[in-house]
Amino acid sequence: AQSVTQLDSQVPVFEEAPVELRCNYSSSVSVYLFWYVQYPNQGLQLLLKYLSGSTLVKGINGFEAEFNKSQTSFHLRKPSVHISDTAEYFCAVMKKTSYDKVIFGPGTSLSVIP
Amino acid sequence: GAGVSQTPSNKVTEKGKYVELRCDPISGHTALYWYRQSLGQGPEFLIYFQGTGAADDSGLPNDRFFAVRPEGSVSTLKIQRTERGDSAVYLCASSLTWDSADTQYFGPGTRLTVL
Repeated sequence: AQSVTQLDSQVPVFEEAPVELRCNYSSSVSVYLFWYVQYPNQGLQLLLKYLSGSTLVKGINGFEAEFNKSQTSFHLRKPSVHISDTAEYFCAVMKKTSYDKVIFGPGTSLSVIP
Repeated sequence: GAGVSQTPSNKVTEKGKYVELRCDPISGHTALYWYRQSLGQGPEFLIYFQGTGAADDSGLPNDRFFAVRPEGSVSTLKIQRTERGDSAVYLCASSLTWDSADTQYFGPGTRLTVL
């Protein structure tokens, strides 16, 4: 079975500073990897996903993530955060098959400080 | 175009009562998913529909939970004899096909509170 670990439950960062949200996964088979963002009182929105090919994936709102197979990691980064980035961020994994359920991590709460 | 919608946005009920939560997926999406998100946790898979049939219901916690999608569009999650532990945000998502690579689009959720 797959599992996802998000090492930091809360990450405070000053506005315009860089940020990295860490994600590690466990799986015995090849997987797809996702980052979702959940703004207060809103549904989840896909930030980016890794399916195959280049290990550096660029998403919306200036975010990017790098897939590292040897370290089983998929860390999310942004070079300069804005107040509007304050939200809950979820890393997720899914087996590479015709269908599989999405397994979400527990989430990281990003707070951007003015 | 319209996204995934869920009604009601909030539902407060008493222990032992029956509740129904509704999900309207994006038009034309064949796959529909239900998740439950407890406070401070990530969403947890409940059930997945491919068209009208439940292709995977392995996430339903017990037989008090049931979901239907009779015409392959709108889905209803039904909870019988609600318990306080059922309190959570119930999320619905849809995708164009059932391929794992397809993006799942989430609704805003229904916050269920069982008193």
